[in-house]
Amino acid sequence: DTEVTQTPKHLVMGMTNKKSLKCEQHMGHRAMYWYKQKAKKPPELMFVYSYEKLSINESVPSRFSPECPNSSLLNLHLHALQPEDSALYLCASSQGWGGTDTQYFGPGTRLTVL
Amino acid sequence: DAKTTQPPSMDCAEGRAANLPCNHSTISGNEYVYWYRQIHSQGPQYIIHGLKNNETNEMASLIITEDRKSSTLILPHATLRDTAVYYCIVRVVSAGNMLTFGGGTRLMVKP
Repeated sequence: DTEVTQTPKHLVMGMTNKKSLKCEQHMGHRAMYWYKQKAKKPPELMFVYSYEKLSINESVPSRFSPECPNSSLLNLHLHALQPEDSALYLCASSQGWGGTDTQYFGPGTRLTVL
Repeated sequence: DAKTTQPPSMDCAEGRAANLPCNHSTISGNEYVYWYRQIHSQGPQYIIHGLKNNETNEMASLIITEDRKSSTLILPHATLRDTAVYYCIVRVVSAGNMLTFGGGTRLMVKP
């Protein structure tokens, strides 16, 4: 099973709302990632977790707060977002951090901020 | 990581081979070439990767030139389901598993 699941598929939120995106994998992978993809643009890395610890934060604004409660689960908490944060948010996982390990991506959550 | 250059779009007839080029003229000796694709509204999908030798798997073949400054991804018998954006990425595997996506090539497979 090489599946990464993401919920919800779609999310509409106001600028004052707090919401969370969820990502799950059961492949025993120890590295997990969040990417952001604006319309007609390539994905951009936001965060990397390795062995449940934050390894990379690509200067992401604090209104995005990642959390890795266990090795199978990755959350992205959203608060006070702006309309320009509307995008497809992609989660990925890989066996490890480093090496040639393949990253497997989920289908994404399409976020609209009103 | 080195930058890549890909044509923004290409067409291919269904059943024919699709040859997608990628230029990575500044690639260094410890950088691998990776290919991913993204079908509309889905997450990117790994296709293949290589260092210097040609590689083949069930999805595609990767041909890397001897000087490693360019590569070609070959889909031997393209189908309509291969319509997607194809990303060529080069990365140093010792620097963590980070993918930096470029603009990619939008491949349209036509009947």
